[in-house]
Amino acid sequence: EAGVAQSPRYKIIEKRQSVAFWCNPISGHATLYWYQQILGQGPKLLIQFQNNGVVDDSQLPKDRFSAERLKGVDSTLKIQPAKLEDSAVYLCASSLDLHIGGYTFGSGTRLTVV
Amino acid sequence: GENVEQHPSTLSVQEGDSAVIKCTYSDSASNYFPWYKQELGKGPQLIIDIRSNVGEKKDQRIAVTLNKTAKHFSLHITETQPEDSAVYFCAASKKWTDKLIFGTGTRLQVFP
Repeated sequence: EAGVAQSPRYKIIEKRQSVAFWCNPISGHATLYWYQQILGQGPKLLIQFQNNGVVDDSQLPKDRFSAERLKGVDSTLKIQPAKLEDSAVYLCASSLDLHIGGYTFGSGTRLTVV
Repeated sequence: GENVEQHPSTLSVQEGDSAVIKCTYSDSASNYFPWYKQELGKGPQLIIDIRSNVGEKKDQRIAVTLNKTAKHFSLHITETQPEDSAVYFCAASKKWTDKLIFGTGTRLQVFP
């Protein structure tokens, strides 16, 4: 089966600019996650979707970050305006359903804010 | 709050030796413990997982043990090979949620 697709692979922007990341999960996977991985650290959950509804967004900085999953398939994560501390790898993951575990990660988008 | 500690941060072994990575979790409600391998420029890849109703699980050269009383779990890799070189992350999630809390990672280097 095809894996989790993410684009772009790399993005460099200036602070205060906006940026968007795209994710296409594994076909049939109902649950989709966005994680932020700062260099040298483990990934941290930003937001979790079940189909097109939000399950957990408690750690999403809502003043600058937004995410949507229209039609319960693809998802986009947006940052506006970006700060230097947003430099990180943004990982998308998907799983078949809730409470099954073992989700599959994409290769991520490396964001550098200068 | 929820926390997962992971040790060591770096580990160097000779090819053929064993490697052990240890993690401790803080929330006694945690019941699912996966291990991920992350190679440079790639996303984390699930290599093995264990649930709280099981004490040990093995898959070829990889095994995971769980001690619920002490709230720690370990990854054991036997007969290490150079292709095992990567960053390994442990993680934990609580019952009825899917939010994974990750450890800080262990960089494993296997020298031929």
